[in-house]
Amino acid sequence: SQTIHQWPATLVQPVGSPLSLECTVEGTSNPNLYWYRQAAGRGLQLLFYSVGIGQISSEVPQNLSASRPQDRQFILSSKKLLLSDSGFYLCAWRTGHPEGTDTQYFGPGTRLTVL
Amino acid sequence: AQSVTQLDSHVSVSEGTPVLLRCNYSSSYSPSLFWYVQHPNKGLQLLLKYTSAATLVKGINGFEAEFKKSETSFHLTKPSAHMSDAAEYFCVVYSGYNKLIFGAGTRLAVHP
Repeated sequence: SQTIHQWPATLVQPVGSPLSLECTVEGTSNPNLYWYRQAAGRGLQLLFYSVGIGQISSEVPQNLSASRPQDRQFILSSKKLLLSDSGFYLCAWRTGHPEGTDTQYFGPGTRLTVL
Repeated sequence: AQSVTQLDSHVSVSEGTPVLLRCNYSSSYSPSLFWYVQHPNKGLQLLLKYTSAATLVKGINGFEAEFKKSETSFHLTKPSAHMSDAAEYFCVVYSGYNKLIFGAGTRLAVHP
């Protein structure tokens, strides 16, 4: 069966510091991968998605970037965090097979607090 | 373009009473629709999915949803609420471009 991991679970960082959040998926190959942010009291905002290694689509211009160095690894980064980057970050995957389901499966999330 | 609207931001019920969470959708073709649940500080868990095979979809934990094309609705129901059902619920539609479109969410409170 497939599982998705995110770490760290929680993170407290000062303004201006760098960020690296990691997401890995097990039990599947060539998945589509997604990064979402959920700010306090707000819905989910899609930040990035990837359909393959090195292929990143950015949904919202902002202070963040994403990379996919391996098939089942998705990394969210920032060079300098802003207060507005605080939130709950969720990684998700879906099968990359063209005939496969469009269902996305979510990781446990990372709570980021920027002070 | 596809979109979903969750009609209630908060719903409060007593334990043992029915739950109704309302969702309307907009889609130019037969949509794929989902309900996800999120407990505090947790990821999203898939409750159920509609894919046009049957209009009444049964999900986990006793939840079900009915697809009504004439009303463009996909409301989530449960006959009897349990304290553990307290969470935020998201109605979601597949956009057709590798992406999901999320509603704003409905926070369900269950009182003893």
